[in-house]
Amino acid sequence: QKEVEQNSGPLSVPEGAIASLNCTYSDRGSQSFFWYRQYSGKSPELIMFIYSNGDKEDGRFTAQLNKASQYVSLLIRDSQPSDSATYLCAVNSLIGSGGSNYKLTFGKGTLLTVNP
Amino acid sequence: SAVISQKPSRDICQRGTSLTIQCQVDSQVTMMFWYRQQPGQSLTLIATANQGSEATYESGFVIDKFPISRPNLTFSTLTVSNMSPEDSSIYLCSVEGQGAVDEQYFGPGTRLTVT
Repeated sequence: QKEVEQNSGPLSVPEGAIASLNCTYSDRGSQSFFWYRQYSGKSPELIMFIYSNGDKEDGRFTAQLNKASQYVSLLIRDSQPSDSATYLCAVNSLIGSGGSNYKLTFGKGTLLTVNP
Repeated sequence: SAVISQKPSRDICQRGTSLTIQCQVDSQVTMMFWYRQQPGQSLTLIATANQGSEATYESGFVIDKFPISRPNLTFSTLTVSNMSPEDSSIYLCSVEGQGAVDEQYFGPGTRLTVT
């Protein structure tokens, strides 16, 4: 059973602080890693992906990947109240053998609250 | 990313009935996915729907309960059959992106309540 683990939170940070969200995964064959943001009552929105070890920055967001430790994280700098949402970590894995079909496995999500 | 729509956006159904959810994409995609998100939970993949082949179901989901159609590269339906209150959930379709990293983009979802 391929698993993706996240702290459920809630994680509460003051406005302007750095929010750090963490995720571990069990499938060593996974190649791509995704962070989705889901506002209450809305569908998930892709905000970052990463597939190489190290850091990837996009605006206030930085994704970090360490394949040896099977660990991926998302940092949100200068957190804003509008960042308050559930953040879902997702990891891809191949379906079957020898093919190119894949699926995403999602963690349970971390609820982030940014306090003004 | 593709523009994805779902119909209906929400519905309240009686137990024992069936509901068909439609997912429409504004561009051609090979792979479409159907997920369920139960209250307070994360996303669980129901099945993968490739055009021109039978849907591939995940463990715990069967075709008799969740039949899927994929008649072309822009459209898919998921039917929730013989519903019970345990089927109350949000049902989401997603499509593969055009990049090289297997990303998926989600439709707005269908909120189903079974009474």
